Amino acid sequence: KAGVTQTPRYLIKTRGQQVTLSCSPISGHRSVSWYQQTPGQGLQFLFEYFSETQRNKGNFPGRFSGRQFSNSRSEMNVSTLELGDSALYLCASSKSGSSEETQYFGPGTRLLVL
Amino acid sequence: KQEVTQIPAALSVPEGENLVLNCSFTDSAIYNLQWFRQDPGKGLTSLLLIQSSQREQTSGRLNASLDKSSGRSTLYIAASQPGDSATYLCAPRRSNDYKLSFGAGTTVTVRA
Repeated sequence: KAGVTQTPRYLIKTRGQQVTLSCSPISGHRSVSWYQQTPGQGLQFLFEYFSETQRNKGNFPGRFSGRQFSNSRSEMNVSTLELGDSALYLCASSKSGSSEETQYFGPGTRLLVL
Repeated sequence: KQEVTQIPAALSVPEGENLVLNCSFTDSAIYNLQWFRQDPGKGLTSLLLIQSSQREQTSGRLNASLDKSSGRSTLYIAASQPGDSATYLCAPRRSNDYKLSFGAGTTVTVRA
């Protein structure tokens, strides 16, 4: 069974640009969550989607947005990039997102903003 | 807001020693707690999920305990190997949350 996949794996952008990251969950999983990991702040929750609906959102500015498609694949978008957006972006999937389930993480997308 | 602390921040041991990694959290109203491993620059690998109703969970050389009332969990790794070198993260999950809250992790180095 294939794991969570994320594309692209690496990305270099300049300030002011926008970026779109993609996440494909494990087959049969309908919940996708996104996290940002930086050396200073650690792992922080961005948002969670289930059946194309955002159910929970972390404390990030509106420049960070996401969506989920009917096949459960998810994208996140960051507009007007800032240097501080440089991070490893991780997505995780589970069957329904219920509290009792294991979360499975992808390899991440490393974003560098110059 | 759930605050998660992991002690120690870093640990270096010779091969064969047992490892003890500690995790504490401020909000004891958790549904479960998950332990992850992260290799440098990589994603997170789930190690163990321990439900709030459980006291312990075991997988191979790994054993996790949970004391929900005192807000503590401990991960034990028996007979450490160089391949165990990684950062270990704990993530409690509150009952009404879809998200995990993470500690800063414990970076383990096992010397051959």
